[in-house]
Amino acid sequence: EIVLTQSPGTLSLSPGERATLSCRASQSLTPPLVGYQQLVWYQQKPGQAPRLLIYGASNRATGIPDRFSGSYSGTDFTLTISRLEPEDFAVYYCQQYGGSSAFTFGPGTKVDI
Amino acid sequence: QGQLVESGGGVVQPGGSLRLTCEASGFIFSGYGMHWVRQAPGKGLEWVALIWFDGSKTYYAESMKGRFTISRDNSKNTLNLQMNSLRPEDTAMYYCARWEGNLRALDIWGQGTMVTVSS
Repeated sequence: EIVLTQSPGTLSLSPGERATLSCRASQSLTPPLVGYQQLVWYQQKPGQAPRLLIYGASNRATGIPDRFSGSYSGTDFTLTISRLEPEDFAVYYCQQYGGSSAFTFGPGTKVDI
Repeated sequence: QGQLVESGGGVVQPGGSLRLTCEASGFIFSGYGMHWVRQAPGKGLEWVALIWFDGSKTYYAESMKGRFTISRDNSKNTLNLQMNSLRPEDTAMYYCARWEGNLRALDIWGQGTMVTVSS
């Protein structure tokens, strides 16, 4: 089973600052060479359902501002928020699906003021 | 864009059963795989189960196998989760979500229904 580890657990920043969130997979995502396509990021605000943010490691979902970006290198994935807006303070989860029952979320990173 | 609305949550005693329903609208329900995801109070997201677009295949998280059953009725645009032998650790908000295969992501989520297992 692939385990996703997110760091830091909490990121304390101010509006206008840059946020860098990490998600590390315990092994290469499958299928080989294109496993990065399985990596997804969600945003969840208090009292709300999660919202799709980034899919395929680096593609913004519909309606997501361009201050959000995703990147990857091997088994390391990064979500960057270039300039934090007040509405960006939330919890961010990474997730991967390798087929069958191999569906996992990371533990989340809370971005707060 | 599509909408999902969950119902059926509530308070149940340990060992009891509960059936959750998710009603879909605004998209062709029969064309999408569907998932259940849960979140215990103050905790992170935990995947529960998935069902293929036509109901032909289902998969479960290990801790739910044998206790939970996911099903769907494409004629009624509904997704179900039958939960048996409930434990206090099953207490959580349960979300249904649409799997968009082209994105390989859960792109539409319901607002959730709360399940509390307590005596």
